[in-house]
Amino acid sequence: DIQMTQSPSSLSASVGDRVTITCRASQGIRNDLGWYQQKPGKAPKRLIYAASSLQSGVPSRFSGSGSGTEFTLTISSLQPEDFATYYCVQHNNYPPTFGPGTKVDIK
Amino acid sequence: EVQLVESGGGLVQPGRSLRLSCAASGFTFDGYAMHWVRQAPGKGLEWVSGISWSSSSIGYADSVKGRFTISRDNAKNSLYLQMNSLRTEDMALYYCVKAATSTLQGTFDYWGQGTQVTVSS
Repeated sequence: DIQMTQSPSSLSASVGDRVTITCRASQGIRNDLGWYQQKPGKAPKRLIYAASSLQSGVPSRFSGSGSGTEFTLTISSLQPEDFATYYCVQHNNYPPTFGPGTKVDIK
Repeated sequence: EVQLVESGGGLVQPGRSLRLSCAASGFTFDGYAMHWVRQAPGKGLEWVSGISWSSSSIGYADSVKGRFTISRDNAKNSLYLQMNSLRTEDMALYYCVKAATSTLQGTFDYWGQGTQVTVSS
């Protein structure tokens, strides 16, 4: 199975900060990667698919980049509603595997 | 609007069985693969099982293989997960997840709100 890692595991940031989360795959997965946001008590919500495509309805402050084994999710200007846990997931190879998550909280 | 509504969770003793259901609406159910993903309390997300649009391709995580069975009824727009020989480590919130493609190999685009499975004596 492909192993997914994320860094950092958690971060504290202020409203307006630029935030970058990294996801790495144990082998190349082309651009078959998605990013999901999960707020406490809620289901995950897709933000990014195909590594860099923005899900319809998601604010443009979210962006994704990368290919192969290294990917990033960037929030250009953190908003109060963005405090959540973010997960990456690869679907290039069966079975799909998730990163362990990155918790973004208020500094 | 895509809606996925899970049901069937509850409290069950170790070794017993439970059947989860997911009622889908707002999209052409038989055009997409479907998955179950779970989340243990305070933990991350774990893919459990997936089924292609026609049920011709099915996959399971190693942790549930031989104990869980996924199925779907396209006529009823429903997805199921039969869980046998439940263990305490199966205790989690189980999400029904729609794929963006008809095959197993594709991104997840919509999630239900989940149904809680508690395994305890």
